Amino acid sequence: QQQVKQSPQSLIVQKGGISIINCAYENTAFDYFPWYQQFPGKGPALLIAIRPDVSEKKEGRFTISFNKSAKQFSLHIMDSQPGDSATYFCAASIEGYGNKLVFGAGTILRVKS
Amino acid sequence: EAGVTQSPTHLIKTRGQQATLRCSPISGHTSVYWYQQALGLGLQFLLWYDEGEERNRGNFPPRFSGRQFPNYSSELNVNALELEDSALYLCASSPQDDNEQFFGPGTRLTVL
Repeated sequence: QQQVKQSPQSLIVQKGGISIINCAYENTAFDYFPWYQQFPGKGPALLIAIRPDVSEKKEGRFTISFNKSAKQFSLHIMDSQPGDSATYFCAASIEGYGNKLVFGAGTILRVKS
Repeated sequence: EAGVTQSPTHLIKTRGQQATLRCSPISGHTSVYWYQQALGLGLQFLLWYDEGEERNRGNFPPRFSGRQFPNYSSELNVNALELEDSALYLCASSPQDDNEQFFGPGTRLTVL
């Protein structure tokens, strides 16, 4: 019930294309869903987050889509660039003070120029 | 604004030794979290400290411990090191009453 399942494991996209990463969860108590971007040798950086009161959130080229009934959420990267090549992690937690993040296994994205 | 800092960057130990990892949170953040990122296992929650107290711990043995100091910095101690403890140890901080966690660059621990 604590798992977050992330797919695909790896993804290759052409420059200018759309990258899509999907996550699914079981615990209906989860109500905070962030995405992190991690470059080699660096810590994860918070990219964008969503709460279940909205179905979509957009920040620049990054969009989170959220489907509460299906218990799924996804990250879309529009106009993907070589600089977006990184590992992306979805996560989930129960909103509030100090709740641990449960992470997906990660998706290695490579954008070909 | 300075981010979360961690030291050392790399740490090499042998089996049975003890390791001490340090973390300084973002100024104004009172909560510190520790995660282990082992190869192929993703990020696993280790410990949460707030106001000097351990508030929650993940599914790790007691030889993983730590503390938080009055200035909110934190230390993670790993006793009786085992080969499988080799991983990137990440520290994150958050403001009080907020779940947004910001990560440091990590400490790469290698156990030989």
